[in-house]
Amino acid sequence: DIQMTQSPSSLSASIGDRVTITCRASQTVTTYLNWYQQKPGQAPKLLIYETSNLQSGVSSRFSGGGSGTEFSLTISSLQPEDFATYYCQQCYSPHLTFGGGTKVEIK
Amino acid sequence: DVQLVESGGGLVMPGGSLRLSCAGSGFTFSNARMSWVRQSPGKGLEWVGRIRSTAEGETRDFPPPVKDRFSLSRDDSKAMVYLQMTSLKLDDTGVYFCTVDRNLVGLAYWGQGTLVSVSS
Repeated sequence: DIQMTQSPSSLSASIGDRVTITCRASQTVTTYLNWYQQKPGQAPKLLIYETSNLQSGVSSRFSGGGSGTEFSLTISSLQPEDFATYYCQQCYSPHLTFGGGTKVEIK
Repeated sequence: DVQLVESGGGLVMPGGSLRLSCAGSGFTFSNARMSWVRQSPGKGLEWVGRIRSTAEGETRDFPPPVKDRFSLSRDDSKAMVYLQMTSLKLDDTGVYFCTVDRNLVGLAYWGQGTLVSVSS
């Protein structure tokens, strides 16, 4: 199965900061890479699909990029509601796999 | 609005079996692929299986850790999908989420999850 590695595993940031999370795949997933946000006690929520497409209703301060094996999720100006754990996930292979998650905490 | 409601979780001994159910509404269930994802306590997300639509032949995929122990079925007349888990292990403990699997564009909708605890 394709292994997904996220970095960092956690970060501390302030309101208004620009934050970037990286996701690396063990082999190419072309652009079939999705990002999810999960808050404590809640189900994950799809933020971005196919590398850079915002799911309906998601703020434009979220953006995604990359291709092949290297991807990124950027939050342009961190807001209080953005403190959460973020997961990347590939759907290039029929066997879906997730990254280990990046917890974004308040500095 | 799309709603997914899981049920059937609980405490089970190692080696035991459990069937989880997921009721869908607010979308054309018969056309939907459905996937299950689990989350062990304090850990990340792990996909545990998919069932395609009836039109796609209800074919199924499972990852190696559960391939010979978990099975999936669906009843489109009731908009239900079922995850049958057998030979349960301690590592199967976690919250199990039912999702609408939009193939190459992500797991678009998630239920609230049901907790499975495997313990002696």
